[in-house]
Amino acid sequence: GAGVSQSPSNKVTEKGKDVELRCDPISGHTALYWYRQSLGQGLEFLIYFQGNSAPDKSGLPSDRFSAERTGGSVSTLTIQRTQQEDSAVYLCASSFRVGSYEQYFGPGTRLTVT
Amino acid sequence: AQTVTQSQPEMSVQEAETVTLSCTYDTSENNYYLFWYKQPPSRQMILVIRQEAYKQQNATENRFSVNFQKAAKSFSLKISDSQLGDTAMYFCAFMKHSDYGGSQGNLIFGKGTKLSVKP
Repeated sequence: GAGVSQSPSNKVTEKGKDVELRCDPISGHTALYWYRQSLGQGLEFLIYFQGNSAPDKSGLPSDRFSAERTGGSVSTLTIQRTQQEDSAVYLCASSFRVGSYEQYFGPGTRLTVT
Repeated sequence: AQTVTQSQPEMSVQEAETVTLSCTYDTSENNYYLFWYKQPPSRQMILVIRQEAYKQQNATENRFSVNFQKAAKSFSLKISDSQLGDTAMYFCAFMKHSDYGGSQGNLIFGKGTKLSVKP
């Protein structure tokens, strides 16, 4: 079956612009996670959603970052007023539920802020 | 707070030989899960192996096995009969166990070890 998909694969934006990154989880997976992978910081957790529960936003680095998940499926990560330090690969993962141990990752979106 | 440390930024191994990647972690939790993920140049993170902290027996998956030392908070990955396709970044990761059963959600990753398998 289809895995986790993310779009776009690559995104180049100018400093100060807003960007939206999309994640389509595996069908039937109720838990969805966003991570950021940057050269200096490695892989960092950003946010996760579990069904209809309030998301865990504890990893979001600033209020310029937000995410939503519509209909319990597709998720969008929005970065407002992008800064150069936002340049990174943004990875999305999903799992059957938060109690599931295996997270299935998408190929990521490489964001470059110029 | 939990931390995961991988002290080997890069390693190389000859094809068909065995290599061990190191990982240590720090936590005050008693129940948790540990993972090794592989990330090839395609960027796709792939789960290699998983260990539940309450299990004393080390996990194995074909050519991959772990040496889990709970008291020492050490979780190394051994790759036997290395293959060219094993060339990738390898990440050690930690996940808390929820008091209500199952995992706590997000993974905490080490900074990774870049493994090169040479022909």
